[in-house]
Amino acid sequence: GQNIDQPTEMTATEGAIVQINCTYQTSGFNGLFWYQQHAGEAPTFLSYNVLDGLEEKGRFSSFLSRSKGYSYLLLKELQMKDSASYLCAVLDSNYQLIWGAGTKLIIKP
Amino acid sequence: GAVVSQHPSWVICKSGTSVKIECRSLDFQATTMFWYRQFPKQSLMLMATSNEGSKATYEQGVEKDKFLINHASLTLSTLTVTSAHPEDSSFYICSARGPYPGFTYEQYFGPGTRLTVT
Repeated sequence: GQNIDQPTEMTATEGAIVQINCTYQTSGFNGLFWYQQHAGEAPTFLSYNVLDGLEEKGRFSSFLSRSKGYSYLLLKELQMKDSASYLCAVLDSNYQLIWGAGTKLIIKP
Repeated sequence: GAVVSQHPSWVICKSGTSVKIECRSLDFQATTMFWYRQFPKQSLMLMATSNEGSKATYEQGVEKDKFLINHASLTLSTLTVTSAHPEDSSFYICSARGPYPGFTYEQYFGPGTRLTVT
């Protein structure tokens, strides 16, 4: 079966750094996405990784290791507005997105 | 670029009535559109995938006669919730994907429609 695991909830402090992990087992792999979703809103695109390594985009970075079936999203200099759910999704061999359940990130002052 | 709109943003209807939700790609041709449902504090649940001009592919457990999907053009897909009941109250989100190559496989999301059935 296809499976994507990410922690249900994480808490971090404003100004700090947090790493949200995602592990996956899917039928094929054509890339991994990270989306941010604020409560009551639609998801917004954060990153896409298809090759191993780290992709940095401002305060957010995403890492992928295909051999380990592992990715993480790194958020630096946390701000209160970063409180949201972070969704990991893998594009499988049929180019279908398989979604993780999401990680709710709570930022405390 | 790659903007997706959804209408209405929220709707309240009476039990037994039908509701139509529109999803439009404003600045690109959406060869594939997706419909999701999301209950409070839960993750996205894919309901169906539709390709322009063909019948939608529904996920297991989703009633195709209850959730009618039409993808008649490259910029418009509609979801009709027929004979809605209170348990259909949810946040419905559409997303669209452009033709590949030229587009990645990123899905561009609409703002969502909050449906409340009384």
